[in-house]
Amino acid sequence: QSVLTQPPSVSAAPGQQVAISCSGSSSNIENNHVSWYQQLPGTAPKLLIYEDNKRPSGIPDRFSGSKSGTSATLGITGLQTGDEADYYCGTWDSSLNSYVFGAGTKVTVL
Amino acid sequence: QVQLQESGPGLVEPSQTLSLSCTVAGDSISSGNYYWSWIRQPAGKGLEWIGRTSGSATYYNSSLKSRVSISVDTSKNQFSLKLSSVTAADTAVYYCARGFTLARNWFDPWGQGTLVTVSS
Repeated sequence: QSVLTQPPSVSAAPGQQVAISCSGSSSNIENNHVSWYQQLPGTAPKLLIYEDNKRPSGIPDRFSGSKSGTSATLGITGLQTGDEADYYCGTWDSSLNSYVFGAGTKVTVL
Repeated sequence: QVQLQESGPGLVEPSQTLSLSCTVAGDSISSGNYYWSWIRQPAGKGLEWIGRTSGSATYYNSSLKSRVSISVDTSKNQFSLKLSSVTAADTAVYYCARGFTLARNWFDPWGQGTLVTVSS
């Protein structure tokens, strides 16, 4: 059972947009920056968003991050078939003294 | 460009110790600028942070703390993972990654991962 809650799956047609939520608590999301990772099938996770809403070099602006209170959201616009992947949120949890990840959300492009 | 590469046995017998190494290219582990972490992922499941080291300080996930040891070999620019008394539940893909600090709490980049199977 992850301390960060994500929906198991989301889907949309090509060109559409999706939003993936990551719900936590005051010991993690509310008081620590959130990062997001994309894991394409059979590959290692890749950093997509850091410090809630910043994109590393090379990540298209179709990907965005936001945070409010104890929840964070990853948005993907202009959905492409290459975006089909598992997406994970992560942050520090000060109660557990551990880095924690959500269980992951599978994005399907219909 | 920083690159990480895991290495080690792909098969470990139950009750034995799992040992993996991560070789870092393009950055110096001994610089002290970053922590270096191990993360694992059982097949079809999510990610679990195992622990991190800066060389001078090391921290572990409390759920694994009694069985885990992470060390650094600065001469080889490597850091290593040892997980003792393994069971089938420790079967997973093990990743090494650069990160995290409380100020920079993200992992980037990651190694490609190595599958470790616990079985007799």
